[in-house]
Amino acid sequence: GENVEQHPSTLSVQEGDSAVIKCTYSDSASNYFPWYKQELGKRPQLIIDIRSNVGEKKDQRIAVTLNKTAKHFSLHITETQPEDSAVYFCAASPGTYKYIFGTGTRLKVLA
Amino acid sequence: EAGVVQSPRYKIIEKKQPVAFWCNPISGHNTLYWYLQNLGQGPELLIRYENEEAVDDSQLPKDRFSAERLKGVDSTLKIQPAELGDSAVYLCASSRTPSGGWNEQFFGPGTRLTVL
Repeated sequence: GENVEQHPSTLSVQEGDSAVIKCTYSDSASNYFPWYKQELGKRPQLIIDIRSNVGEKKDQRIAVTLNKTAKHFSLHITETQPEDSAVYFCAASPGTYKYIFGTGTRLKVLA
Repeated sequence: EAGVVQSPRYKIIEKKQPVAFWCNPISGHNTLYWYLQNLGQGPELLIRYENEEAVDDSQLPKDRFSAERLKGVDSTLKIQPAELGDSAVYLCASSRTPSGGWNEQFFGPGTRLTVL
């Protein structure tokens, strides 16, 4: 069935370093890929998304890349800061409304 | 604009008891979702509403779970009777009718359920 694999499950980086989180999806019909950030005890919030008609999108320190042939997409955070510490979820949308979420990556930025 | 509102934020009950969660979506959002989030996992869809109609409830365990959205705005998710394995965070989300084939889902803070 449809699924999204996300790696790594935990990631620790030094403040100022870069962090990369990778996701692979199974449904080739997926055409929308959002990334959500969830701080402890808080709601998931959209931080960036990418449509299937582009290969890369950037917003300040965060960027997402998409390889449709390989069915994988990645989140890149540069110049990490302590406030970037959270759980990050990728998702793939094979239809207008349906999201299939990854299992999450706990990012810790060490000061 | 106000975000998605959920209540209660936390609920502790004993097994076999009933429990209900309430969600108020963002004004103007006609699509409402209920998700289940187990510890260390991503959200999994339970049910999706278009206005007052449940259009995707294939993942809802209908023997003990029920949901309603009577006037196409607020929604209630109920579990009766609750089991130990139901302990999780229940997230509500809402979105507008998408344009261009994509939509952004806005999440509420969730209700953390603990079943003892």
